[in-house]
Amino acid sequence: QKEVEQDPGPLSVPEGAIVSLNCTYSNSAFQYFMWYRQYSRKGPELLMYTYSSGNKEDGRFTAQVDKSSKYISLFIRDSQPSDSATYLCAMSGGGSEKLVFGKGTKLTVNP
Amino acid sequence: DTGVSQDPRHKITKRGQNVTFRCDPISEHNRLYWYRQTLGQGPEFLTYFQNEAQLEKSRLLSDRFSAERPKGSFSTLEIQRTEQGDSAMYLCASSDGRGDTQYFGPGTRLTVL
Repeated sequence: QKEVEQDPGPLSVPEGAIVSLNCTYSNSAFQYFMWYRQYSRKGPELLMYTYSSGNKEDGRFTAQVDKSSKYISLFIRDSQPSDSATYLCAMSGGGSEKLVFGKGTKLTVNP
Repeated sequence: DTGVSQDPRHKITKRGQNVTFRCDPISEHNRLYWYRQTLGQGPEFLTYFQNEAQLEKSRLLSDRFSAERPKGSFSTLEIQRTEQGDSAMYLCASSDGRGDTQYFGPGTRLTVL
């Protein structure tokens, strides 16, 4: 079992839809949880950062962490074609600063 | 531009050649990380520095790979005797050490023929 599991998709939605992206993980030592957006052939761009459990909202984006279930989510409201990208979950903790990434979910928002 | 920069952006080399990549972190960041990303996969950790000290290395970092950060500012990643399996995007990230938030550069895409 990989440390971080993420459905690679692809996921295709119409403009304006609510998008839900998820990751599960196995390492209970993870404390820091991040979502990155990566456009084709570019470096990952940090979208959301959460420490431990709870919710965090930033504009159209909401990140949720449920440590008891080892499950994290990213919601995108009112999705736009410019949101079309690969979304990577990442996490760290347990005394190591390395980020452990999921495979990424490729999202397409159709106008 | 105050973000992480990497050079070159693209490198094509023949199998068996040595290559070196450079990363310049965000200026006030004391932590610098290298990752490798292959097609359809998330980035995989290679190594990280706090100032000039290399504190953690992945088992992915074979003896053909070496990284340095001699003055605690920019870093170089060298791959000796490249193999076709080394073809990937090499990503650099930096952090100020607060909360493990890492900011990535644009990457260096390596193609080994």
